[in-house]
Amino acid sequence: DTGVSQDPRHKITKRGQNVTFRCDPISEHNRLYWYRQTLGQGPEFLTYFQNEAQLEKSRLLSDRFSAERPKGSFSTLEIQRTEQGDSAMYLCASSSLIAGGLEDTQYFGPGTRLTVL
Amino acid sequence: AQSVTQPDIHITVSEGASLELRCNYSYGATPYLFWYVQSPGQGLQLLLKYFSGDTLVQGIKGFEAEFKRSQSSFNLRKPSVHWSDAAEYFCAVGPISNFGNEKLTFGTGTRLTIIP
Repeated sequence: DTGVSQDPRHKITKRGQNVTFRCDPISEHNRLYWYRQTLGQGPEFLTYFQNEAQLEKSRLLSDRFSAERPKGSFSTLEIQRTEQGDSAMYLCASSSLIAGGLEDTQYFGPGTRLTVL
Repeated sequence: AQSVTQPDIHITVSEGASLELRCNYSYGATPYLFWYVQSPGQGLQLLLKYFSGDTLVQGIKGFEAEFKRSQSSFNLRKPSVHWSDAAEYFCAVGPISNFGNEKLTFGTGTRLTIIP
């Protein structure tokens, strides 16, 4: 069990550029979540996948944001036309929901810190 | 809608002293409850969780938390803190549903400083 990994760990970009982040969940975890954390705040939910299906998106996820999990393994989060307000830590988490079960613990990766200049 | 309140933004404790971090939640039924810890620039590490059963749960690094339904609280405690415990602590709530945890709602965090 190597844990959740995220790449890159840091990204600096200029306003208006597109950026893409990658998340590799714990192997065989069928659920994958994206959160955003701004300075001094707790993480806020953005979206989650069960296998390759995107089941819920937050209102925080504007049209400039898109997430995919094409084969039900790794996921990407793309931000188009970045704005300074997008500067934040983007956290990925994964979990394993056993069919018929209720207990479901999310394990987090180290995050990708985005700075938009 | 579910919400979490961590009333203490910053707490300073002497090394070796006891610690209690407060967490209050708002939810229509019994939720899933979690405590995570975050070191500067890092992701979140799970300390402990409550799903059901015994209301006093034990976690890693000597932490424990007690679920009190009547007070809608899930306070985190440690009898003797170590300098390495300095970090940001987040309480989180997740809904109980037939589909599992789904999204977590986090509090704003409590920053813990340890003084020698």
